[in-house]
Amino acid sequence: GQQLNQSPQSMFIQEGEDVSMNCTSSSIFNTWLWYKQDPGEGPVLLIALYKAGELTSNGRLTAQFGITRKDSFLNISASIPSDVGIYFCAGQLRDSNYQLIWGAGTKLIIKP
Amino acid sequence: KAGVTQTPRYLIKTRGQQVTLSCSPISGHRSVSWYQQTPGQGLQFLFEYFSETQRNKGNFPGRFSGRQFSNSRSEMNVSTLELGDSALYLCASTQTTGTDTQYFGPGTRLTVL
Repeated sequence: GQQLNQSPQSMFIQEGEDVSMNCTSSSIFNTWLWYKQDPGEGPVLLIALYKAGELTSNGRLTAQFGITRKDSFLNISASIPSDVGIYFCAGQLRDSNYQLIWGAGTKLIIKP
Repeated sequence: KAGVTQTPRYLIKTRGQQVTLSCSPISGHRSVSWYQQTPGQGLQFLFEYFSETQRNKGNFPGRFSGRQFSNSRSEMNVSTLELGDSALYLCASTQTTGTDTQYFGPGTRLTVL
């Protein structure tokens, strides 16, 4: 089936550092979504992207829809302890029945 | 507006039993999707229901089934439980099928012993 390659799988960072993660695929997507999941909870939508090249911010978070429509990036600036969690990308394929394809997640851990 | 609710939050079953999980979508949302999440894995799509009809189905065995009621509430059933069915089961709702902004519930943590 269709897959999204999300990397890195996990990140250990210091508080205050910037974070970058990405998702890539060999397929073309109409929509890219970024979610965050806290332990014991369901994922929460952070940013939605609908156009190639689109750059959207949500506070300290910035995400971009790749110009080739096959990738997306999420950046977090000046990380804080509450940024800890698992970040998922999800994409809706150009030719699909609206089913979302999900990345395996990036686990963000802040070093004490 | 209340969010997506799932019941129960935690469940322990033994192999061979069956289980039913419930999901109430956000008021006004008519589409409900179910996902299975295991440690270190992304979300694996189970199925989507819209207006009481199954619209999409993932690659899961027939032991996994679901339904949706006229009030948009949905149930998921797993029969003949296996150890590998232990997972977090997430439900997500959207206003209508074909929209991409899914709102998730907190999930039901199923443990099969």
